[in-house]
Amino acid sequence: IQMTQSPSSLSASVGDRVTITCRASQHISMYLNWYQQKVGKAPKVLIYGASSLQSGVPSRFSGSGSGTDFTLTISSLQPEDFATYYCQQSYSTPWTFGQGTKVEIK
Amino acid sequence: QVQLHESGPGLVKPSQTLSLTCTVSGGSINSGNYQWDWIRQPAGKGLEWIGRIHKGGSTTYNPSLKSRVTMSIDTSKNHFSLDLRTVTAADTAVYYCAREVAPTGLDWVFDYWGQGSLVTVTS
Repeated sequence: IQMTQSPSSLSASVGDRVTITCRASQHISMYLNWYQQKVGKAPKVLIYGASSLQSGVPSRFSGSGSGTDFTLTISSLQPEDFATYYCQQSYSTPWTFGQGTKVEIK
Repeated sequence: QVQLHESGPGLVKPSQTLSLTCTVSGGSINSGNYQWDWIRQPAGKGLEWIGRIHKGGSTTYNPSLKSRVTMSIDTSKNHFSLDLRTVTAADTAVYYCAREVAPTGLDWVFDYWGQGSLVTVTS
């Protein structure tokens, strides 16, 4: 299953609302996870099951979607949110990731 | 707090075997219903899932690497391992181990990751 994210990168300011989209090449129900990766660090799960917030993750992060189209929204971008974000399908193996969306400071 | 830590050679010669071990601390690898995974990331690129192993030894591999991959688990040492045979420069990457959990029984997610181990394939 191929996962396609858009945009590949974006520039935003602190306080902005940011939306990242992820499209699956076939139906994956709600088996979609979102990860945040900072430079030189391992990814960290933000959202699982398309819309469930992982414990300890700030509530400004939210996920939505089902089927083939999904979104990750950051309601008010904070300085610590500048990172690369990946979607990942857990519908069928081999698990696959999107190519990533880099969120940069404007 | 569960922690995972990768270990192994940082340099591997072409055509040889890349071997990594992931040691789990803060919890038993033999408890719960988890999968133990390997994921890699070439420099500046995205994430590629290599495969996973269950405490019972059952494995699932990415078909793109299946012919060259073997995973094993040693519950007595609380670690699991990856062997990738016949490596080339294209296998140069940061290799992560991770724990996979199914919060609602069906939706698997990587909830704990190691810090990553850079492996460079070079002669």
